[in-house]
Formats: sequence, C-alpha cells, structure tokens
Amino acid sequence: SQQGEEDPQALSIQEGENATMNCSYKTSINNLQWYRQNSGRGLVHLILIRSNEREKHSGRLRVTLDTSKKSSSLLITASRAADTASYFCATDEGNTGKLIFGQGTTLQVKP
Amino acid sequence: EPEVTQTPSHQVTQMGQEVILRCVPISNHLYFYWYRQILGQKVEFLVSFYNNEISEKSEIFDDQFSVERPDGSNFTLKIRSTKLEDSAMYFCASSERRPIGNYGYTFGSGTRLTVV
Repeated sequence: SQQGEEDPQALSIQEGENATMNCSYKTSINNLQWYRQNSGRGLVHLILIRSNEREKHSGRLRVTLDTSKKSSSLLITASRAADTASYFCATDEGNTGKLIFGQGTTLQVKP
Repeated sequence: EPEVTQTPSHQVTQMGQEVILRCVPISNHLYFYWYRQILGQKVEFLVSFYNNEISEKSEIFDDQFSVERPDGSNFTLKIRSTKLEDSAMYFCASSERRPIGNYGYTFGSGTRLTVV
C-alpha cells in the first residue's frame, strides 16, 4: 500500500456508535496527523501524534500510533451526524514539511 | 481563531491562460505550502516555501508553476499556461515552525480551479 493509506474507504454508522479508521504508512515519520474534510470544503486539522507517542486524546477523538507496524487509528466516540465527513491521515517525515496524505475514509453518521 | 484565507473560492479559466491563486497565511506563520486535490483523489503536495524561497517541490510543480510572496501577507501560486489536468482544488497551508513536531498545519478552504 502507499504512504498514508486508510481503511475502510467508507464507513456508515448510526449516531451514538463509535467509528474507527485505520491508516498505514511506509517510511519513518516525525509525526502523523489526522484531518477532516467536509464535502467540497477545506481540510481541518484534528490531531497530531508524534512518533514517540503511542496514544493521544482530544475530546471525542482518540488516536493511536504503532511505529513498529507503521499504522495509526482514529477513534471517534459517540458519533454525531455532524461528524459526517472524509477523514485523512497525513504523515510528516519532518525534514521537508511535506505532508503525504492517504486516500481518506468517508464516514457517514446516520441520525 | 486565526484562518488561512484563499481567494477566489472558484475560478474558471480557458486552457492556456495564466491563473494566480491567492492566499493570506496566518500572520505569525513562517512556512507556507500549496497542495492540490483532483476530484476524488488524494491531496497532493506541490511546494513548500520558507524565507522567501522554495524549500521543496514535487514532480507536479514543473516550470508552469511558480510561487511568490509579493508582500508581507500574500502568498500566491501562478500557473502560467493552464491545462485541463490542472483542474483541481488548490489548498494553501501555513505552519508556525519546522520541524513540525508539535504543530499541525492550518489549511485554507481552497480554490476550485476549473480549466475548460
């Protein structure tokens, strides 16, 4: 798989359920970031986890990072209809400032 | 909360024409970027800019592309002779410092470029 690949590509859940999205990458990274994009809109930075961190929380978001497996997961707890969006992971190798994005997971939260 | 502002939100241009996409990064940010997203595809890095020069550019960023910070606030992307395949959403981003160990990027809401 390519750098920053998410799965699943699409996820549909009911409001109140948890949503888990996974991301895999290939190279060494400085940090991994998750972004959200509402349809046709800009990218909103959600959370950043550094390579020496294993887990991070921000509100209803929980991100894990396993550098040995080169993978990360984003958990959204108690989802809401307003969480409906595409979610992207992006890896930052740290030397260039360049982010490499995955294809994204499209999340639909049904009311 | 500080924002990255991009104008215009949508631009339609004839193939072969020059376009300039404009961005106003967050005022205390020092690093500036352009990314693009072709419809249905990944967000792709184009170029990074620091201290009035390009830090890195991708293979996409060929001689048809250029960036400039003409004054203390604007950051522009110019495409000299647009092609149909340049149709995409173009995102500007800025960050406070590098390495970005603790800081995410702030993205603008994008300019949708349509080349006809």
